[in-house]
Amino acid sequence: KNQVEQSPQSLIILEGKNCTLQCNYTVSPFSNLRWYKQDTGRGPVSLTIMTFSENTKSNGRYTATLDADTKQSSLHITASQLSDSASYICVVSAVAGGTSYGKLTFGQGTILTVHP
Amino acid sequence: KAGVTQTPRYLIKTRGQQVTLSCSPISGHRSVSWYQQTPGQGLQFLFEYFSETQRNKGNFPGRFSGRQFSNSRSEMNVSTLELGDSALYLCASSLYRGSTDTQYFGPGTRLTVL
Repeated sequence: KNQVEQSPQSLIILEGKNCTLQCNYTVSPFSNLRWYKQDTGRGPVSLTIMTFSENTKSNGRYTATLDADTKQSSLHITASQLSDSASYICVVSAVAGGTSYGKLTFGQGTILTVHP
Repeated sequence: KAGVTQTPRYLIKTRGQQVTLSCSPISGHRSVSWYQQTPGQGLQFLFEYFSETQRNKGNFPGRFSGRQFSNSRSEMNVSTLELGDSALYLCASSLYRGSTDTQYFGPGTRLTVL
């Protein structure tokens, strides 16, 4: 059964500090892994998309890593800001033929709170 | 460029009723996907439409259906509503169906079933 597990479930940090969120998956055959940021009351916003051959991708202060061998990904946030307070969701796509999005498996998300 | 819009934003229905939600993708985007988000289950994939055809379907009962029009706008219908259908329904659009294509989400429709 395809699964995506994220840790920690929630995290509180002080503004300016760095943090790392984890995502472990058992999705096969693997197509790509996405990290989304979802602010309260809003739809998710894509941060990064990584395929099998990519092991690091950055988007501003957000850096995602992927280890396809161990089936782990992490999202590192540098110099956190109050606006980083949100839910971060890891989504893994399995290949479903052709150019299809395939079957998506979602993690439960990590709720990050940044305090001043 | 306008983002993904969803209407209505909030909806209250009673058990047994049916509901139709609407999604207008970003101009030029041809792929529309629907998701259900609940506190207990998180985000779950409902279905994906491309060029007016359903291309992928998640594990939801047949009460959940959708369609896409020639202008890429999409509607989702839920019949015989149950209390458990209370959720945030999100629509996302993308340019194509490429596996690394970025999806852009709308603000969602908050459905409450009483």
